Amino acid sequence: DAGVTQSPTHLIKTRGQQVTLRCSPISGHKSVSWYQQVLGQGPQFIFQYYEKEERGRGNFPDRFSARQFPNYSSELNVNALLLGDSALYLCASSFVPRDRPNYGYTFGSGTRLTVV
Amino acid sequence: QQQVKQSPQSLIVQKGGISIINCAYENTAFDYFPWYQQFPGKGPALLIAIRPDVSEKKEGRFTISFNKSAKQFSLHIMDSQPGDSATYFCAASIMIQGAQKLVFGQGTRLTINP
Repeated sequence: DAGVTQSPTHLIKTRGQQVTLRCSPISGHKSVSWYQQVLGQGPQFIFQYYEKEERGRGNFPDRFSARQFPNYSSELNVNALLLGDSALYLCASSFVPRDRPNYGYTFGSGTRLTVV
Repeated sequence: QQQVKQSPQSLIVQKGGISIINCAYENTAFDYFPWYQQFPGKGPALLIAIRPDVSEKKEGRFTISFNKSAKQFSLHIMDSQPGDSATYFCAASIMIQGAQKLVFGQGTRLTINP
């Protein structure tokens, strides 16, 4: 079974540019969440999408946006990149926003974004 | 306060020893507490999780101890092996307006010496 797949794996962008990161959830999973993991820290919640609708948003500026497609894949967009946006961006999927009984997500390996 | 505090930041344990990582939280609305294991270049992988109505959960060499009154929980890794060397994150889950949000601790880099 394919897990959560993210593309690209690595990306280098210049300050002020825009970037789009992509995520394909596990087959059958309808909920996708995005997290930002800065080096040396734990992941921080950015968004959760379910059935193509935004269900929750973390404490991130409006430069961050996302969408979910009919096939449940998702894109995360970041505009006007700052040096501080350099991080590992993680996508996680689950069948519904909160799967029972495990309540856990399955994370992808992430996209390493470097802003120079 | 939606924070989870994790300690220690790094831990070195001899092979066969017990690794112990501690976490504390403030928000009583958290209702699920998972632990994740992360290897370099990989995303976090769910290791074991507990609900606050349970005081202990054991899966193989991994045990979560949960103290609801103290708002603390810990991960114990018995018979630690070099393959356990990784970064471990505790987390706490909260549902906000239909979305599940995981709040992660800062992480513990565990090294198991052979």
